[in-house]
Amino acid sequence: NAGVTQTPKFRVLKTGQSMTLLCAQDMNHEYMYWYRQDPGMGLRLIHYSVGEGTTAKGEVPDGYNVSRLKKQNFLLGLESAAPSQTSVYFCASTRQSDSGYGYTFGSGTRLTVV
Amino acid sequence: DAKTTQPNSMESNEEEPVHLPCNHSTISGTDYIHWYRQLPSQGPEYVIHGLTSNVNNRMASLAIAEDRKSSTLILHRATLRDAAVYYCILRDVPGKLIFGQGTTLQVKP
Repeated sequence: NAGVTQTPKFRVLKTGQSMTLLCAQDMNHEYMYWYRQDPGMGLRLIHYSVGEGTTAKGEVPDGYNVSRLKKQNFLLGLESAAPSQTSVYFCASTRQSDSGYGYTFGSGTRLTVV
Repeated sequence: DAKTTQPNSMESNEEEPVHLPCNHSTISGTDYIHWYRQLPSQGPEYVIHGLTSNVNNRMASLAIAEDRKSSTLILHRATLRDAAVYYCILRDVPGKLIFGQGTTLQVKP
């Protein structure tokens, strides 16, 4: 069981470039999330999805777009990268039911925008 | 979104129990209390969660106050590998986890 897989693991972008981060889970989870973590800080929620074809904004959605075309994949896009988006990005997933299940996190994507 | 309050840091000696407190005075009746930990350069790792009753698993125990306004994560015998940032989080109805700053646990040999 791979769990939650994030690609790429590292990336350096120039200001204004675009990129897509991929999150894939093989646990048949309904809910998926994108977080960012800046140095010395806790995680902040960017966007999330409660099912295939649905997305919603989190705490810090500006500058990002997401899509959930397939249940197992959640994509995070940066259309025009800015240095303020330098961060470590984590994806997470969980089942719809609250009972008995925690969240599974990926190992992160370290993004640097120069 | 409901908020939690945790001490910024705590210290423990190896092989001794550790009690990590969390206050969540604005918790609603449907919020689950989740605990995660994050080791350096890794993603958060699920530790335990509960709603009203105390919970035990292979990693830890969760003690929830009767009024649910506070909880305590208990590591029964701390090891050096338990040194991490521990987050106490309330899961709301849409299933969002809103992280705070967490407690940095140092374990001394």
